[in-house]
Amino acid sequence: EIVMTQSPATLSVSPGERATLSCRASQSVSSNLAWYQQKPGQAPRLLIYGASTRATGIPARFSGSGSGTEFTLTISSLQSEDFAVYYCQQYNNWPPPFGPGTKVDIK
Amino acid sequence: EVQLVQSGAEVKKPGESLKISCKGSGYSFTSYWIGWVRQMPGKGLEWMGIIYPGDSDTRYSPSFQGQVTISADKSISTAYLQWSSLKASDTAMYYCARPLIVGAILHAFDIWGQGTMVTVSS
Repeated sequence: EIVMTQSPATLSVSPGERATLSCRASQSVSSNLAWYQQKPGQAPRLLIYGASTRATGIPARFSGSGSGTEFTLTISSLQSEDFAVYYCQQYNNWPPPFGPGTKVDIK
Repeated sequence: EVQLVQSGAEVKKPGESLKISCKGSGYSFTSYWIGWVRQMPGKGLEWMGIIYPGDSDTRYSPSFQGQVTISADKSISTAYLQWSSLKASDTAMYYCARPLIVGAILHAFDIWGQGTMVTVSS
């Protein structure tokens, strides 16, 4: 079973700054990697799939990159509504585990 | 509008049984897999299993095999997650979710239910 790790666990960022989140898979998942955002009391929301394709309605300030085992989610200029927990998930192999999450909070 | 609507919050005692539901609308329910995800209080997301309502093909994550049962009734566009004997450790929010791509068992999940909170306490 593939294991996903994310770093850092918590990222403190000021509004307007850039945030870079990392996700690593224990073996290659090709480009079959998604990123989700979850705010308190809400269901997860799909941001990125295929490692770099934005889902419908996702602002351009969110971008994804990487392939194989190393992936990055970048938020170019953090807005107040972006403070949340971000999860990566591989969907190359069953079961498709999520990473443990990165919490982005206000510095 | 494509949506998944889940049944309401439940409070149960250890040992009781429970079946929660997830009703799909706005799309061909039998053409997309439906998955279930657990989120324990203050914790991350865990895949439980997935079902194809078209033929009830079901797969479970190893951690949940034998612990829960996933089913679907395509006549009413509803998927279910059930327990035969609840434990306190089953206390969690449970989400159903649909993948982005028709017929794909493995893909990103773009449609999510609102979640069902299950509390198991004596």
